[in-house]
Amino acid sequence: DAKTTQPTSMDCAEGRAANLPCNHSTISGNEYVYWYRQIHSQGPQYIIHGLKNNETNEMASLIITEDRKSSTLILPHATLRDTAVYYCIAFSGTYKYIFGTGTRLKVLA
Amino acid sequence: GAVVSQHPSRVICKSGTSVKIECRSLDFQATTMFWYRQFPKQSLMLMATSNEGSKATYEQGVEKDKFLINHASLTLSTLTVTSAHPEDSSFYICSAKGPGRNTEAFFGQGTRLTVV
Repeated sequence: DAKTTQPTSMDCAEGRAANLPCNHSTISGNEYVYWYRQIHSQGPQYIIHGLKNNETNEMASLIITEDRKSSTLILPHATLRDTAVYYCIAFSGTYKYIFGTGTRLKVLA
Repeated sequence: GAVVSQHPSRVICKSGTSVKIECRSLDFQATTMFWYRQFPKQSLMLMATSNEGSKATYEQGVEKDKFLINHASLTLSTLTVTSAHPEDSSFYICSAKGPGRNTEAFFGQGTRLTVV
């Protein structure tokens, strides 16, 4: 499964959009991009996933570049409860979920 | 989303004893389960992957005789830490996934193991 790289940390003002980038330049054609977040001392929470097309659900939007080498998770109106570590994973469904270092997002009041 | 229940959430055990952690998928059939451990301020480290009815596949450096994984049914996997030592103290997290590559994995709440 492809390795992903993310910035170590980001800050975002409450109420503003939080845009979290992820690089997966070695992703293969059958690998989906999954996003999870982990709030302190809890198990990761699923957010969204996609293959080629942009996706949106009640939590977030996922923008995947046309070449699929990177993606951006967008939290449209960040709240204090969105403070967490966000993980981007490339997964083909046939092997294993590998977590990278993630991005520590801090939403500021 | 689907629910994965992990039990216990916290456990303290004496050095040399064994501890069993259960992971259940409550509303879907988990053909694959993953076990992770996480140290403070670090990412999740994959320990092993198990498919229902098959032996688990362990990551390099993870002792299969120390961390026994059983995935006997489509809704239950267990991790047994045998002869626990203080250095095994960690946060253990399970994850369950249904069939198909377009299905997300759901995670348990985690188990905080402290070996004294």
